[in-house]
Amino acid sequence: DAKTTQPNSMESNEEEPVHLPCNHSTISGTDYIHWYRQLPSQGPEYVIHGLTSNVNNRMASLAIAEDRKSSTLILHRATLRDAAVYYCILRAVSGNTGKLIFGQGTTLQVKP
Amino acid sequence: EPEVTQTPSHQVTQMGQEVILRCVPISNHLYFYWYRQILGQKVEFLVSFYNNEISEKSEIFDDQFSVERPDGSNFTLKIRSTKLEDSAMYFCASSEALRGGSPLHFGNGTRLTVT
Repeated sequence: DAKTTQPNSMESNEEEPVHLPCNHSTISGTDYIHWYRQLPSQGPEYVIHGLTSNVNNRMASLAIAEDRKSSTLILHRATLRDAAVYYCILRAVSGNTGKLIFGQGTTLQVKP
Repeated sequence: EPEVTQTPSHQVTQMGQEVILRCVPISNHLYFYWYRQILGQKVEFLVSFYNNEISEKSEIFDDQFSVERPDGSNFTLKIRSTKLEDSAMYFCASSEALRGGSPLHFGNGTRLTVT
């Protein structure tokens, strides 16, 4: 499984944008980039995914580098509720069972 | 919005006892998964299940573990003889498809405490 690298922790101020980086230099052409987050005492929650183009949804935006070797999850206005562990995970299209492999993720602290 | 539900939210059992953790995946999903997370550690893959059989399992998923889809809605994880080290959060997940663009949806977990 292709690996991702994320900073262990980041801090943000409430109501400011947050850019969470992820490196995935060994990504294959058919791997999708998924982001999940885990709030305290909850299960992982799907945030967003993309293949090549930037993506927006109600929760966040995903910016994917042209060479696909890195991506950035963007929270446009952080709230205290966004304090969580954020996981960047590659999901292969074929030849496997679709499982996700979680790393340590980035622990985001949001300061009021 | 449809969600994955897990019961119970907390299960306490004695070492050596059998436990069954229950999950109701999202109704039109075909692929099912169990994960566990020991306190303070990573979320770890246990097993994936499709078409009434295990499609992949990790090294953690030894003979003490089994999974079943007993009817059209439930998906269960059984631990036959629990050990202290089985204490963890157990998460069920489901996915509509294996397409790379199909996300996994997770339940909020069962906290298993083995005493």
